[in-house]
Amino acid sequence: DIVMTQSPLSLPVTPGEPASISCRSSQSLLYSNGYNYLDWYLHKPGQSPQLLIYLGSIRASGVPDRFSGSGSGTDFTLKISRVEAEDVGFYYCMQARQTPPTFGQGTRLEIK
Amino acid sequence: QVQLVQSGPEVKKPGSSMKVSCKASGGTLRSHAISWVRQAPGQGLEWMGGVISLFGTANYAQKFQDRVTITTDESTSTAYMELSSLRSEDTAIYYCARPRAPSDYYGLGSPPPGYHYYGMDVWGQGTTVTVSS
Repeated sequence: DIVMTQSPLSLPVTPGEPASISCRSSQSLLYSNGYNYLDWYLHKPGQSPQLLIYLGSIRASGVPDRFSGSGSGTDFTLKISRVEAEDVGFYYCMQARQTPPTFGQGTRLEIK
Repeated sequence: QVQLVQSGPEVKKPGSSMKVSCKASGGTLRSHAISWVRQAPGQGLEWMGGVISLFGTANYAQKFQDRVTITTDESTSTAYMELSSLRSEDTAIYYCARPRAPSDYYGLGSPPPGYHYYGMDVWGQGTTVTVSS
């Protein structure tokens, strides 16, 4: 299985400041069609997970433009340009280049 | 817009089986795959398996291969996840989720193996299962 490694695992951020989460995969997620099969999800307490970014850099419908995804191959980054209080929760990257899809350990974003 | 509605919470004894349902309203199951993802207390998200109704195929994570069965009933637009030989470590919230991409792949050549499960943008509300003696 492809191993996904996130860092940091805990991320305290002051509202209005930027935040960045790294995700590395043990194998390349780039397929011959030019897409990286890498998703980002946010899991808020008491809610179902929600899709933020798919195919490495495409924002899902309704996701604020302060969220952006970048990277290719084995190294990916989720950036939040200006963190808001509603962004607290656990962020997960997930690869779908191979089955089974595998998640990173999760990064807990909290407000300072 | 399709919604996924899951069955209610369950309490199970160790060694027994559980079967959680996931009904799609406002759409069908045939067009898209369904994944099952769980979160145990204090743990992260874990993909258990998925089913692609269009092709009649299912994929399972090796960890659950011997204990899980995922099926669909297209007549009721309902997916099911059955987990047997329950143990306390199976206490978790179980989610069904649907990817944004339809099962038909229109790109050149074949899609990657995980294609049917990327971009899960519709999730059920979660079903809490407690395994306790």
